[in-house]
Amino acid sequence: EVQLVQSGPEVKKPGESLKISCKGSGYSFSSYWIAWVRQMPGKGLEWMGIIYPGDSDTRYSPSFEGQVSISVDKSITTAYLQWSSLKPSDTAMYYCGGRGVGAAQGYDGLDLWGQGTFVTVSS
Amino acid sequence: HSVLTQPPSVSGAPGQRVTISCTGSSSNIGTGNDVHWYQQLPGTAPKLLIYGSNKRPSGVPDRFSGSRSATSASLAITGLQAEDEADYYCHSYDSNLSNSGVFGGGTKLTVL
Repeated sequence: EVQLVQSGPEVKKPGESLKISCKGSGYSFSSYWIAWVRQMPGKGLEWMGIIYPGDSDTRYSPSFEGQVSISVDKSITTAYLQWSSLKPSDTAMYYCGGRGVGAAQGYDGLDLWGQGTFVTVSS
Repeated sequence: HSVLTQPPSVSGAPGQRVTISCTGSSSNIGTGNDVHWYQQLPGTAPKLLIYGSNKRPSGVPDRFSGSRSATSASLAITGLQAEDEADYYCHSYDSNLSNSGVFGGGTKLTVL
């Protein structure tokens, strides 16, 4: 089965670091871009950045550049989203999405989604 | 505010037709970039509904259709059903933002 499975919910304190994961399976993981998308409580989707597992080419949205780090370990078909110092405003659901993996092959829509990881940052 | 502009809400009775607009600019939709649409049911991850501006993944009913012109795009839903009640988002890429992905602010569809 083609799928992206994300790590579980996290509860952290301000200033702590965090790395969440997104594991792909059932397809050629190295060949398709993986995006990260934020959704704050009750709000819309926000594009954070995207990475190509084949060569780790990473592009950040200007809004998130310097705020987070996106990486990948293609040997274990897993992409990561990382913070070095969390803030309460980082409280949100984070989704990973695969671009053009399935039905939308050859296009740049996100046609494969993880289930989401909810991150709570509170003192 | 979002780079792509959607109405916050639309509504319609069962069986009716509704449209959701997505207004961009010359740096995103206007450059010829495709527009994609997602449906997000409450408490779930988004699901691709329309890709390449007007194509449907298999399994998506043909009640859903997309179109694009100049600097805007639209999602049309005909024969509204109760299970269509969800949030809908458009998505494209913007050359002014280093070709980063951009989403519309989302539209809440209420089936009356």
